[in-house]
Amino acid sequence: EAQVTQNPRYLITVTGKKLTVTCSQNMNHEYMSWYRQDPGLGLRQIYYSMNVEVTDKGDVPEGYKVSRKEKRNFPLILESPSPNQTSLYFCASSLGRTTDTQYFGPGTRLTVL
Amino acid sequence: AQSVTQPDIHITVSEGASLELRCNYSYGATPYLFWYVQSPGQGLQLLLKYFSGDTLVQGIKGFEAEFKRSQSSFNLRKPSVHWSDAAEYFCAVGANDYKLSFGAGTTVTVRA
Repeated sequence: EAQVTQNPRYLITVTGKKLTVTCSQNMNHEYMSWYRQDPGLGLRQIYYSMNVEVTDKGDVPEGYKVSRKEKRNFPLILESPSPNQTSLYFCASSLGRTTDTQYFGPGTRLTVL
Repeated sequence: AQSVTQPDIHITVSEGASLELRCNYSYGATPYLFWYVQSPGQGLQLLLKYFSGDTLVQGIKGFEAEFKRSQSSFNLRKPSVHWSDAAEYFCAVGANDYKLSFGAGTTVTVRA
């Protein structure tokens, strides 16, 4: 089954404790992206990757890091999480062109205390 | 940079009635426009998209949207809603820079 998976689905952590949210897709997609969803703000793009070893900032990259060492994986790293990063995070992937459909993962709900 | 406005935060509609969700975008060139739906506790699913050609676009689940360049709008419509259409709907605009900008979303409640 074609899908985007994220782990963990739920995470409660404390300020400053480094964490990684994994994202994996099995569709051989070149493009992958991370979004955060906050009430009243919709989805905002954090980082995206056009291919292996090629990443770029979205609209809200501060406090986040990403890497794309393999085509299928695109982990999101919070090196020193803060409470304002409490949010619902989505990973998405697509074939690569802007016109291509993005397929979204189920989301990761992160709470930073 | 592109941006999207969804003027309606919440819409309540009766089952069987028609539905229209508004979306206005800001972008200098021809935009790529999308409507996504998010059911409770789920990820987003594409309903339809427009990037060229016929300005009336048909999507899944009986939805359609019309691109109006003169009004910078891409409104979503459904002639007769079902209880399963209760969800949050997002309009998004993309450009050639691989970025996708989403609106704040419209929550649709369907009453029996």
